[in-house]
Amino acid sequence: QVQLQESGPGLVKPSGTLSLTCAVSGGSITSTKWWSWVRQPPGKGLEWIGEIYYTGSTYYNPSLKSRVTISVDKSKNQFSLRVNSVTAADTAIYYCAGTSYGSGWSHWFDPWGQGTLVTVSS
Amino acid sequence: SSELTQDPAVSVALGQTVRITCQGDSLRSYYASWYQQKPGQAPVLVIYGENNRPSGVPDRFSGSRSGNTASLTITGAQAEDDADYYCNSRDSSVNHRVFGGGTKLTVL
Repeated sequence: QVQLQESGPGLVKPSGTLSLTCAVSGGSITSTKWWSWVRQPPGKGLEWIGEIYYTGSTYYNPSLKSRVTISVDKSKNQFSLRVNSVTAADTAIYYCAGTSYGSGWSHWFDPWGQGTLVTVSS
Repeated sequence: SSELTQDPAVSVALGQTVRITCQGDSLRSYYASWYQQKPGQAPVLVIYGENNRPSGVPDRFSGSRSGNTASLTITGAQAEDDADYYCNSRDSSVNHRVFGGGTKLTVL
């Protein structure tokens, strides 16, 4: 069964770059899943950041698109997130998740990583 | 701002039935998926597609859709169902996803 694990710095300075990696185990990143990033500011709701297919195709949240890059490394079976020009508003728990698609234009996020807290502060 | 609207809080007596709703124009065309999140934990998928439950999710959880509203129904709520619930679907662009604001369910 596929498991996901996020890793990366827990503290990033304002105006800097947030970089996280999600390691995929128990399955191949070249499966039929897409791979997503979702974040959750402390005490608030979930926000979809974007997703990537192993071929490199990506979709991004329009509100973040100018600052976000998601990439995939098939050789390491992992995918990554970069957010540029961060501010305190980017402080959140960042989750990676597998995304599946089904009939009737349905999609769902499963599994999820445990999440990693990233704080933007000087 | 979210294009999927959920009631911020709902309560239900132990053993009773509760419906959590998610409203949005995109739901007329696309199914929602539903996630349960307990404090300090990652979200967990509970319903996807027309009305599908992942392995391990109790059959008291069910999903439905009517017009622009998707619903998650818990028939016979248990104490362990006390959690936040989020819906997700496509937004006005078929390639973008959006979460509802979340509903805090309290089991009394």
